[in-house]
Amino acid sequence: GAVVSQHPSRVICKSGTSVKIECRSLDFQATTMFWYRQFPKQSLMLMATSNEGSKATYEQGVEKDKFLINHASLTLSTLTVTSAHPEDSSFYICSARVQGSYEQYFGPGTRLTVT
Amino acid sequence: GQNIDQPTEMTATEGAIVQINCTYQTSGFNGLFWYQQHAGEAPTFLSYNVLDGLEEKGRFSSFLSRSKGYSYLLLKELQMKDSASYLCAVRNQGGKLIFGQGTELSVKP
Repeated sequence: GAVVSQHPSRVICKSGTSVKIECRSLDFQATTMFWYRQFPKQSLMLMATSNEGSKATYEQGVEKDKFLINHASLTLSTLTVTSAHPEDSSFYICSARVQGSYEQYFGPGTRLTVT
Repeated sequence: GQNIDQPTEMTATEGAIVQINCTYQTSGFNGLFWYQQHAGEAPTFLSYNVLDGLEEKGRFSSFLSRSKGYSYLLLKELQMKDSASYLCAVRNQGGKLIFGQGTELSVKP
């Protein structure tokens, strides 16, 4: 089956610093990647949709200057949390979709803790 | 607006059958998904319905009624490892997955 990886799986950073999270599709080319955020005991909230080679589309209420998304290739998308604050602490999950397919393949998630 | 409702918590006994309901109101409909998520892990795909009716896959079945905006996930022969959160998600007209809050299922011996 299709595999999506994320790196790192866990990261702790200090308030005010930036953190980059990578999402890779390992055995397929993902025309579209999605970034979600999940707070404890809550469901996944879509943050943004990125298509390879174009700018990401952000959901309402998500600051595009704070959450920088780059989808440079068909197998890699990155999410950079800039000037992180404790309230950014969350579980960040990416997913990838092949054009024309109904299914999204989820990465294992990245647990971000901002101290 | 877009709204997906499912019960917050359910409890069932090992070996039993449990049905988790999901109702939705979304801007367009392009399929309904059920995912299983264990604590601290990413969701794993369980089922996909785009047409009305029942889809069966082993111990898990999923039903969809588009006219009623309703789906359920049926789990048979429950095992302890089935204790997890079950997420209902609808793909809307824009192709985005909209998730419900999830149903925390506890399976007891």
